[in-house]
Amino acid sequence: GEQVEQRPPHLSVREGDSAFITCTYTDPNSYYFFWYKQEPGASLQLLMKVFSSTEINEGQGFTVLLNKKDKRLSLNLTAAHPGDSAAYFCAVSAGSAGNKLTFGIGTRVLVRP
Amino acid sequence: NAGVIQTPRHKVTGKGQEATLWCEPISGHSAVFWYRQTIVQGLEFLTYFRNQAPIDDSGMPKERFSAQMPNQSHSTLKIQSTQPQDSAVYLCASSTTSAETLYFGSGTRLTVL
Repeated sequence: GEQVEQRPPHLSVREGDSAFITCTYTDPNSYYFFWYKQEPGASLQLLMKVFSSTEINEGQGFTVLLNKKDKRLSLNLTAAHPGDSAAYFCAVSAGSAGNKLTFGIGTRVLVRP
Repeated sequence: NAGVIQTPRHKVTGKGQEATLWCEPISGHSAVFWYRQTIVQGLEFLTYFRNQAPIDDSGMPKERFSAQMPNQSHSTLKIQSTQPQDSAVYLCASSTTSAETLYFGSGTRLTVL
């Protein structure tokens, strides 16, 4: 089945710097890609959903890159601020498996003032 | 819209006791998922339902774990004879059948002493 590897497991950056997280997946049929944010004690909140045909997706304060050739999904928090401190999870769906998502292990990001 | 509602938020059981976790999906959502979250394993898929029918329970431990969805407004995850290794946050999520995005509840933190 699908396997998703996420790196790094922990990331500490200074306020204003970028934080870069990468996931690699194994199933070439994967079609939907997600980033979720989880603040301490809270549930997972959807950050962005990416379709397989879209390579660069920009959100508010972050960019998501999809490289289907290398089977790599990346999240770049640009100009991070303390409110970005949280755990970030990538997730992948093959579509044919329904909505079932396979998650990365997560990256705990700390943004220092 | 109250989102996905999970009860209880916290549950403490003694080894060997039974634990029942409840999930109320978002109204109108016909797919319900159960995941288990631990620091070591991350987010593990357990099972999911579509239109109340079990679709995939490949992540469920074969013994002691069972899930049901008796009606469209709630699902339960039951763990019999709980063991300390069952301690985790159990997350429920729901989605529509036409979209891939999962919306998560706040989870139930199960602690088995």
